[in-house]
Amino acid sequence: GDSVTQMEGPVTLSEEAFLTINCTYTATGYPSLFWYVQYPGEGLQLLLKATKADDKGSNKGFEATYRKETTSFHLEKGSVQVSDSAVYFCALSENTGTASKLTFGTGTRLQVTL
Amino acid sequence: EAGVAQSPRYKIIEKRQSVAFWCNPISGHATLYWYQQILGQGPKLLIQFQNNGVVDDSQLPKDRFSAERLKGVDSTLKIQPAKLEDSAVYLCASSRLAGAGELFFGEGSRLTVL
Repeated sequence: GDSVTQMEGPVTLSEEAFLTINCTYTATGYPSLFWYVQYPGEGLQLLLKATKADDKGSNKGFEATYRKETTSFHLEKGSVQVSDSAVYFCALSENTGTASKLTFGTGTRLQVTL
Repeated sequence: EAGVAQSPRYKIIEKRQSVAFWCNPISGHATLYWYQQILGQGPKLLIQFQNNGVVDDSQLPKDRFSAERLKGVDSTLKIQPAKLEDSAVYLCASSRLAGAGELFFGEGSRLTVL
């Protein structure tokens, strides 16, 4: 079945450091890929997405590129802020008719310090 | 636009007791999902509704879990009887269309089974 593997956390960085959170996936077809973020005390929210190979999703300074050849969708940000501290989830969605469920990774906690 | 509403936010029960969670999706969203998020893991889909019909309940433990979505709007998830391993956050999400990929999540209902 479909699965998503994320790097283990927590990740602790100083403000303005470069961030990479690795994500790889296994899927039978051509899934859409997502990064969701969960800030403390809040619900999951979509950060960015890519629907086909070589697409780049971007939002709030975060980027991720859909790499079919390496089955990866790594999240990057050039300069993190304290406000980026959250749990980040990589996910995929295989569209099969009317069903479109998200399969999530285990999440990576990011803590950014001053 | 109001977000996905869930209640209660927190619930503590003894094993073998029953519990019910309620979800009100974003107005106009046809698809509703219930996810279970155990501490340290990514969310796992329990059931997906399209309007008031079930699309996918393959991972719902049907001997103890049940869910309904009357009139294609609100939904209730029930657990009876609860087990210790049911301790988790129960997330409700909705989307405008199945296959759209972007899900909007509520803040979740945290269940502790003692």
